[in-house]
Amino acid sequence: KAGVTQTPRYLIKTRGQQVTLSCSPISGHRSVSWYQQTPGQGLQFLFEYFSETQRNKGNFPGRFSGRQFSNSRSEMNVSTLELGDSALYLCASSVGAGLGTGELFFGEGSRLTVL
Amino acid sequence: GQSLEQPSEVTAVEGAIVQINCTYQTSGFYGLSWYQQHDGGAPTFLSYNALDGLEETGRFSSFLSRSDSYGYLLLQELQMKDSASYFCAVRDDSGNTGKLIFGQGTTLQVKP
Repeated sequence: KAGVTQTPRYLIKTRGQQVTLSCSPISGHRSVSWYQQTPGQGLQFLFEYFSETQRNKGNFPGRFSGRQFSNSRSEMNVSTLELGDSALYLCASSVGAGLGTGELFFGEGSRLTVL
Repeated sequence: GQSLEQPSEVTAVEGAIVQINCTYQTSGFYGLSWYQQHDGGAPTFLSYNALDGLEETGRFSSFLSRSDSYGYLLLQELQMKDSASYFCAVRDDSGNTGKLIFGQGTTLQVKP
């Protein structure tokens, strides 16, 4: 069973640009969550999509947005990039419903550097 | 606010036992999870406690005390490959959602 796939793995942008990151979840998983990981702030929840609807949102500015497609693939977008947006962006998929441990399956991440 | 506290670093020798503690303060609580992350890798799920007590999975065990807002991860028979960062995370939502609040992580260094 294929894992969570994130593209691109590495990218460099300059301040003011925008970026789109993609995530393909594990087959059958309907929930896709996005996290930002930085050395200073750790893993911070950005948002979650379930069946094409945003189900939860973290405390990030409106420059951060996302969407989910009917095949559960998800994209996140960051507009007007700032230096502080440099981070590892992790996508995680899960079944997202019913009982259970709520185990998240993470991708390898997209490492964004903003210059 | 919501916060999870765990030690930033722990060092132990191969074959030893190490305990990583986590205390939490969150608006809601529906379970404590532990994740392992090797340098440059994806976090991977280790364990989940929704109720008080000890959960054992091979060399790893996790404990939860909801009355104390406290949990720990116990790693036994340490191996070099256990050198990694360990994160505790709280589900503060009753639904089975993908939203977790993570601690800052504990870097475990296993020495020969």
